[in-house]
Amino acid sequence: NAGVTQTPKFRVLKTGQSMTLLCAQDMNHEYMYWYRQDPGMGLRLIHYSVGEGTTAKGEVPDGYNVSRLKKQNFLLGLESAAPSQTSVYFCASVRTQYTGELFFGEGSRLTVL
Amino acid sequence: DQQVKQNSPSLSVQEGRISILNCDYTNSMFDYFLWYKKYPAEGPTFLISISSIKDKNEDGRFTVFLNKSAKHLSLHIVPSQPGDSAVYFCAAKSFGNEKLTFGTGTRLTIIP
Repeated sequence: NAGVTQTPKFRVLKTGQSMTLLCAQDMNHEYMYWYRQDPGMGLRLIHYSVGEGTTAKGEVPDGYNVSRLKKQNFLLGLESAAPSQTSVYFCASVRTQYTGELFFGEGSRLTVL
Repeated sequence: DQQVKQNSPSLSVQEGRISILNCDYTNSMFDYFLWYKKYPAEGPTFLISISSIKDKNEDGRFTVFLNKSAKHLSLHIVPSQPGDSAVYFCAAKSFGNEKLTFGTGTRLTIIP
């Protein structure tokens, strides 16, 4: 039982490059989220999805795009990476909205030079 | 605007003693509160939660207290163990809202 899996775990990019982070969950959860964690800032919501084919903006969506073409996958894209996007990214999922007890992946550390 | 605040970035507690982690919130619409625990190089894991209809919830060594009038909640760990050393995040949500709002975290260190 893998739970929530994020790939890649680590990535170094140059300013202006693009990349995609993949999140996959095998728990048949409806809701999926992308957070970023920065020192002193806690976890901030980037984008989220309440079901296949849907996406919505969170707290800090600028510079990111997402897609949820399949229920089990939630992709986070950076079209033109900036040093301010250096962070640890966490994907999370939950079956329903009611309890808020999210299941998180192990994180993806991204460095933009 | 930080709606969920954890004002202590770090806390050190002797093994066997009580650890008390605090969290304040500003949004009166929040009605469900959670604590998550995070070890280095791992994702956060759910620890304990409390609904606004309660003022206390216990699970083993962990107890969460909610003071709605003060918009304050706290997590008590008794007795503290070395394995409790981690970063603890407080989080809150309102009914019908899909989004969790997290605090900035408190790093707890248990001293053997």
